[in-house]
Amino acid sequence: DAGVTQSPTHLIKTRGQQVTLRCSPKSGHDTVSWYQQALGQGPQFIFQYYEEEERQRGNFPDRFSGHQFPNYSSELNVNALLLGDSALYLCASLSLGSLRMNTEAFFGQGTRLTVV
Amino acid sequence: QQQVKQSPQSLIVQKGGIPIINCAYENTAFDYFPWYQQFPGKGPALLIAIRPDVSEKKEGRFTISFNKSAKQFSLHIMDSQPGDSATYFCAAGRFNNAGNMLTFGGGTRLMVKP
Repeated sequence: DAGVTQSPTHLIKTRGQQVTLRCSPKSGHDTVSWYQQALGQGPQFIFQYYEEEERQRGNFPDRFSGHQFPNYSSELNVNALLLGDSALYLCASLSLGSLRMNTEAFFGQGTRLTVV
Repeated sequence: QQQVKQSPQSLIVQKGGIPIINCAYENTAFDYFPWYQQFPGKGPALLIAIRPDVSEKKEGRFTISFNKSAKQFSLHIMDSQPGDSATYFCAAGRFNNAGNMLTFGGGTRLMVKP
């Protein structure tokens, strides 16, 4: 049973460019959340997708956008990259459809984004 | 209201010692409190989680103590081993129709010396 998978593992982009990160949730999970983890800090919630809609959003600008596909996989897009966007981007999945049975969020290994 | 404060930032113990990591939250609407372990270059892995209707939960060598009135919770690692050296994060979540958004503490870097 594959866990949460993210691609790519590492990425280097130039300031002002756009980037797309991808996430496949754990088998049986239908909800995907994205987090940004700056070096030496805890993850910060960006947004969450369920039923192909953005359900919750953290304190991130509109440059950060996402999408969820019918197979529950998800993309995170960041436009007009800034140096401060350099971080580990984490995807977490959980099963919202059976919330009372499985509440744990499982994280992928993340995508290390470096903006130069 | 959404902040989770974690202490200490770093901790060094000898093998067999019992490191204790503390967290405090402000938002009384939080009803799910997980702890995650993260190794360098890896994503956070769930260790143990607790709901506010219990004061303590134990899984293997890991124990969460929860004090609802003080809005505090802590992680104890019994018989710590060098392999436990990692960064530990507490988190707090709130379940609603939109699911689980986690607010994380700043992390504690634990080193267990042989």
